[in-house]
Amino acid sequence: AQSVTQLGSHVSVSEGALVLLRCNYSSSVPPYLFWYVQYPNQGLQLLLKYTSAATLVKGINGFEAEFKKSETSFHLTKPSAHMSDAAEYFCAVTRGGGSTLGRLYFGRGTQLTVWP
Amino acid sequence: DAGVTQSPTHLIKTRGQQVTLRCSPKSGHDTVSWYQQALGQGPQFIFQYYEEEERQRGNFPDRFSGHQFPNYSSELNVNALLLGDSALYLCASSSLAGSDTQYFGPGTRLTVL
Repeated sequence: AQSVTQLGSHVSVSEGALVLLRCNYSSSVPPYLFWYVQYPNQGLQLLLKYTSAATLVKGINGFEAEFKKSETSFHLTKPSAHMSDAAEYFCAVTRGGGSTLGRLYFGRGTQLTVWP
Repeated sequence: DAGVTQSPTHLIKTRGQQVTLRCSPKSGHDTVSWYQQALGQGPQFIFQYYEEEERQRGNFPDRFSGHQFPNYSSELNVNALLLGDSALYLCASSSLAGSDTQYFGPGTRLTVL
């Protein structure tokens, strides 16, 4: 079985500061990991994904995440926050394996607030 | 290239009624998954359809049912609505053969009064 824990339901940063959103996963098989962003009253947009290639993954809007198997973590970072980054962020896990795309298990989300 | 589309955008129903939500997958995708996102929560998997059959199902009662059509579009049906069914319902599409990513639609906001 797979599960995700997102530490911190709310994170606040100043514009220009480092963004760090934490995600730890549990998986009995090699995982695929994803970060999605959700703006108010919208669906989920894919930020980046880890699918067993490079452990440091770069995504859209300057975000990146590093897969650390020893720590079972997949934390999301951005060097300099922008006001437009304010949104809800979800980490998700599914079993790896290529063509067999299974269900996604989501964390409870982290609301990012960016102060001017 | 159109992304995943869902209809309607918003829906208001009363307890005990039935509702049907619709989803059209991204072009080239053949698999549709449905998720329920309650307020303040992460999405929860309802079920997944491929080749017009339910392949996987999450921990949802039989009141939740679905269908996939030959053109890969899908419907989610919920019978005997409860107040607790109020949520954002998200559809995600993917390609079983070639994609490792699910792409989400904008969702349908269901309110049960």
